[in-house]
Order: sequence, then C-alpha cells, then structure tokens
Amino acid sequence: TQLLEQSPQFLSIQEGENLTVYCNSSSVFSSLQWYRQEPGEGPVLLVTVVTGGEVKKLKRLTFQFGDARKDSSLHITAAQPGDTGLYLCAGAGSNYQLIWGAGTKLIIKP
Amino acid sequence: DSGVTQTPKHLITATGQRVTLRCSPRSGDLSVYWYQQSLDQGLQFLIQYYNGEERAKGNILERFSAQQFPDLHSELNLSSLELGDSALYFCASSAFQGNTGELFFGEGSRLTVL
Repeated sequence: TQLLEQSPQFLSIQEGENLTVYCNSSSVFSSLQWYRQEPGEGPVLLVTVVTGGEVKKLKRLTFQFGDARKDSSLHITAAQPGDTGLYLCAGAGSNYQLIWGAGTKLIIKP
Repeated sequence: DSGVTQTPKHLITATGQRVTLRCSPRSGDLSVYWYQQSLDQGLQFLIQYYNGEERAKGNILERFSAQQFPDLHSELNLSSLELGDSALYFCASSAFQGNTGELFFGEGSRLTVL
C-alpha cells in the first residue's frame, strides 16, 4: 500500500516567517500535486511536479520534487495571513490513483 | 469558481436516515470523484466514475453508494446514517480517466448527523 506522510500536521507562525512542509513516502510517484484548501472551500491545485529534482516557484512558494520522486517539499517565504489554509499533497500512484497526504494545517498570525 | 457544483451545501439529518448528495462536474469532464473529509482532516477517497462507469473504489462503506448519469452528473447516496458520517463530502471532476490529472473540487456538502 502506498502512503504519503505529511509533516508537520499543524503549524502556527507569525507573518513574515519562513516555513517548510514535507511530504514523504517510501514509494515512487510518477507525479505529485500540491493543493491548498481554505476554510469552507474545496482544495485548489497549486502545482504539479513531475521530474525528479524539479523545482517550481509560485511567487513566494517553492515546490521541490525529490530526486527519487519519493518525497516533496513546499517552502513558503515571508508567510502572509492569506497563506492560511490546509495544504495537501497527492501523489500519482502505481495504479493511476492519487494517494493523499493527511494535510498540514497552516495558520499565519498577523 | 471551479465549475463543479454541489448541492446541498448544508444538510442536517438524524441517525438512521438516508440522504442524497448531488454533483455536476465541469463542462466536458468525464470523471467524477467523491471524497469525505472529517473535521480538519485530509481527504478520504470514496469512489470514482468515468463516463457513467465505476472506475475506482476507495474506502467507501457498504451503506454508501453512488452513480453517474448519462448527463454526467453524479449522486452519492448515504443510508442508515450514523453520527460518524458527519463530514464534508466533496465532489471533484477531471478530464482524465486516470486519477492523476488536476482535480477540480466543488465547495462541498456539509452533512451533520444528529
């Protein structure tokens, strides 16, 4: 069974600080997606990483796919209150199904 | 706006009852997925339909069933409801048969079982 472990489960920091969220597995994924979910809404795709070692930037967010395609990280620089939400990673598994992490609840305090 | 429409947005019912949640996918998307999300938790995949056929099954209880109709809208039926079924139920759609492309989520149906 393929599993994705996200850490930390919960993070509360002050505005302006940096943070990193991790998504780890012992399995290889063909691609990995990161979603953000705001309260009362459905998740929205932020990025898809496909190639081992790939780095993608979305303004203050930097996404990295591990060389072996087993792990990924999301780094936020100078976090803002608008970054508050639940961050979910999802890996494309061997049976073409998405394997979801449990999510990281992020709170950015003004 | 993702283009995925879910109704109702909120539903309060009693234990033992039966409810139906409805989902209209994005125009042109053939795949519909149902997910359950308990308070501040991740997403639990329930079931996927592609062009009217069941494509994949996750942790869906026997008390739950779903179908996708010829016009591609989908319904999730939850019966013999228990307190633990209280959750957000999300529908997502995708243009792909496999579950690896971008998913577009609706705003969810919040079910409260009293």
